[in-house]
Amino acid sequence: GENVEQHPSTLSVQEGDSAVIKCTYSDSASNYFPWYKQELGKGPQLIIDIRSNVGEKKDQRIAVTLNKTAKHFSLHITETQPEDSAVYFCAASRQAGTALIFGKGTTLSVSS
Amino acid sequence: DGGITQSPKYLFRKEGQNVTLSCEQNLNHDAMYWYRQDPGQGLRLIYYSQIVNDFQKGDIAEGYSVSREKKESFPLTVTSAQKNPTAFYLCASSGYPGGYEQYFGPGTRLTVT
Repeated sequence: GENVEQHPSTLSVQEGDSAVIKCTYSDSASNYFPWYKQELGKGPQLIIDIRSNVGEKKDQRIAVTLNKTAKHFSLHITETQPEDSAVYFCAASRQAGTALIFGKGTTLSVSS
Repeated sequence: DGGITQSPKYLFRKEGQNVTLSCEQNLNHDAMYWYRQDPGQGLRLIYYSQIVNDFQKGDIAEGYSVSREKKESFPLTVTSAQKNPTAFYLCASSGYPGGYEQYFGPGTRLTVT
């Protein structure tokens, strides 16, 4: 079955710096890759996603890139702010209406 | 105000008791899901349902049961057969077919002692 590896597990940056979180997946049939932000005690919030027919997608300060050949995808956050501090999860799926396979998460701390 | 509601937010039970977690959505989504989250771990799928009166096991279904009698509701029962029930339980929904995006509720933290 699908396996998703996420690195790093913790990431500390200064306000204004960029942050990059990387994931790799094993199932070449996976075609949907979302990123979620989870604040303490809350449910995950979908922040950006990408389909396998697209190499990059951007939404204001966040962007996601996908390398299908290498089975890598990454989340990029620019101009980080303290409110970006949270746990970020990547996930992969091969079919709508079925399981998302999640990475183990990255705890991002942005200090001012 | 559209969204997914889960109740209660915190739930405490004694070992050996069954407990049912509620999940309701008013997004008119066909598919609903239950995930379990343990400290420092990603989310793992327990059960999912793509349509009313039908559901499928996920990776960790043992010790859990579900029903899907209404489109809006997908309750999860944690039975006494579940060896380690203490966890954070998250419900999600998505449009189906074709809707990849899954939206999550606020979660229920279950503690069994």
